[in-house]
Amino acid sequence: GESVGLHLPTLSVQEGDNSIINCAYSNSASDYFIWYKQESGKGPQFIIDIRSNMDKRQGQRVTVLLNKTVKHLSLQIAATQPGDSAVYFCAEIPLRSNDYKLSFGAGTTVTVRA
Amino acid sequence: DTAVSQTPKYLVTQMGNDKSIKCEQNLGHDTMYWYKQDSKKFLKIMFSYNNKELIINETVPNRFSPKSPDKAHLNLHINSLELGDSAVYFCASSQDLRAYEQYFGPGTRLTVT
Repeated sequence: GESVGLHLPTLSVQEGDNSIINCAYSNSASDYFIWYKQESGKGPQFIIDIRSNMDKRQGQRVTVLLNKTVKHLSLQIAATQPGDSAVYFCAEIPLRSNDYKLSFGAGTTVTVRA
Repeated sequence: DTAVSQTPKYLVTQMGNDKSIKCEQNLGHDTMYWYKQDSKKFLKIMFSYNNKELIINETVPNRFSPKSPDKAHLNLHINSLELGDSAVYFCASSQDLRAYEQYFGPGTRLTVT
């Protein structure tokens, strides 16, 4: 399953399939990006980050891809499991900024079908 | 042990009341934050403190007043509550100002009636 942009807020994916969650960011000065996962009733939890000097970074079952040319970020989840059902947020910041604020995207709700 | 804890988890109150939400972190972090999450799940930063010093103060009504008695605690006091204040409020902490891996608390769901 795949979501596009910040304005398609839901993604339904079959258990075992790969998920792709997309995020379009707006600040061309942003050079550090984070993905957070928020399960129902809980606070957001850090998943993975990437700096702008990389275009790909892998974690455990997750991969983040960064395309600076089109200001696009994606999170790929391999072999999606029921525990992956959550809201996923991308966040960005220009590391040289002095306002120390992460800007969060609108979030994509991922629902895993059994 | 919970890394970032908030109390209460739920808060239901009437318009015009004053309420406080407490936050504590046991991670030894220097920086703490308050975020507001609305009904559409949009997360917006309100305040941040670094070593008890106010760093970020977003455009938030002055009815909201944070207080950091020490670097492990950041409380949020809200005066004259309004219907629009209903939201989930999250406390978070990070190692320092430039460590953007933030650890969030479980949230406080505030309902103003």
